[in-house]
Amino acid sequence: DAKTTQPNSMESNEEEPVHLPCNHSTISGTDYIHWYRQLPSQGPEYVIHGLTSNVNNRMASLAIAEDRKSSTLILHRATLRDAAVYYCILRDGAGNMLTFGGGTRLMVKP
Amino acid sequence: DAGITQSPRHKVTETGTPVTLRCHQTENHRYMYWYRQDPGHGLRLIHYSYGVKDTDKGEVSDGYSVSRSKTEDFLLTLESATSSQTSVYFCAISEYLQGNGYTFGSGTRLTVV
Repeated sequence: DAKTTQPNSMESNEEEPVHLPCNHSTISGTDYIHWYRQLPSQGPEYVIHGLTSNVNNRMASLAIAEDRKSSTLILHRATLRDAAVYYCILRDGAGNMLTFGGGTRLMVKP
Repeated sequence: DAGITQSPRHKVTETGTPVTLRCHQTENHRYMYWYRQDPGHGLRLIHYSYGVKDTDKGEVSDGYSVSRSKTEDFLLTLESATSSQTSVYFCAISEYLQGNGYTFGSGTRLTVV
C-alpha cells in the first residue's frame, strides 16, 4: 500500500471545525482513501472513505484534492469526544488489508 | 462493538505457554483480520482470513497461527508465548474486499511474563 504523511498532533477548540490533512503523493488510480480514528483504550473506528469525489457522512466530510495527492478530513464541530488518533490510509483496489501509519493525535480543548 | 467480540479482554500468561485469542462475529462477514498494536509501531497486521479455512499471513506473522473453521470465529494462537508478544490485539471484520470500512473489536490486552 502507498504511504501517507500526517502531522503527529493537532489541537482544536471545542465546537470549532477541524481540518486534518493527509498527504499521499504516491497514490495510484485505484487507491481508496480511508480514515479511521481510535479513541483511548478502544479499537479503531471507521470514519469515512472516498476515491475521487468529496464525501460526507454523519461523522465527517472528506475533501480530496483534484490530483488526489492529498486529502483533508473535516470535523465540522469538534467535541471533546472527538479527541482521538486519526489515521489516513490508502487501500488499493485489489488489496484486502489496511496498513496503518502513525496517525494524527487530535486534542480538543474545552 | 456491536457484532464483533473478542475474548478474553485481558490475559496474563507465562513465557512458553500456548495462548489462544478468540474473535467472534455475528455479521456473517467474509473477511476477518488480526492486528497487534504496540507503542511506536501503530497497528500491524498479523494474519487475515478471506473465508472458512482460507487464511494468509500479514506483516508480522512469525510466532502466530490462525484458524477459521466457521464463518463467525477466527482464532489467533501463540504456540509458545514470548515477552515480545506482549501487546494489544485487535480483531476486525469486513464484508467486502474493497469499498467499505472495517469494524474492529475492543481488543485483548495480553501480557507475557
